[in-house]
Amino acid sequence: DSGVTQTPKHLITATGQRVTLRCSPRSGDLSVYWYQQSLDQGLQFLIQYYNGEERAKGNILERFSAQQFPDLHSELNLSSLELGDSALYFCASEGTSDTQYFGPGTRLTVL
Amino acid sequence: EDQVTQSPEALRLQEGESSSLNCSYTVSGLRGLFWYRQDPGKGPEFLFTLYSAGEEKEKERLKATLTKKESFLHITAPKPEDSATYLCAVQNAGGTSYGKLTFGQGTILTVHP
Repeated sequence: DSGVTQTPKHLITATGQRVTLRCSPRSGDLSVYWYQQSLDQGLQFLIQYYNGEERAKGNILERFSAQQFPDLHSELNLSSLELGDSALYFCASEGTSDTQYFGPGTRLTVL
Repeated sequence: EDQVTQSPEALRLQEGESSSLNCSYTVSGLRGLFWYRQDPGKGPEFLFTLYSAGEEKEKERLKATLTKKESFLHITAPKPEDSATYLCAVQNAGGTSYGKLTFGQGTILTVHP
């Protein structure tokens, strides 16, 4: 158990819809990263937050957005969903050790 | 742009048959190289961080090594429970990369009893 929690575990929705994925980092970790894992692309970095502020962006689509709240949990919002957005979404938290600990993931299926 | 290439894509071993997984990387400045293990449908589990060429780290049947261009994950006398996908990732030291990890495609290891 990494200490990182993600909800929900599974999400099934239709094209055009909007969903919110939630992540709670390990106690004391200020940094949260979001990654997308698909069969053809592997694990891809989406976005990073540090203590409530956006710090770095990867190949994140404009339809996707994220935020980190004062209690340090983070949410990833995916809108106007397309079939190709079906993937595993992971968050990872990082403290002072430079090591990212990954959560169990949310499996998103867009029908 | 940072790049990570892992080989082989898949590796099948008999229990007890030692082998190595390769991770070749290109990065403008290496902050760290990371190895993770991932079981199907689960999140990556941290194994090792290597920071500089010549560094080695060990954990049970696993040993990770690092050179300036590649890293190896050596598996000694593997057991069926070592079956998983092993992921290699690099973290760039500079610019606006901050802590993002660039991952390879992984090596799927299957150990038969």
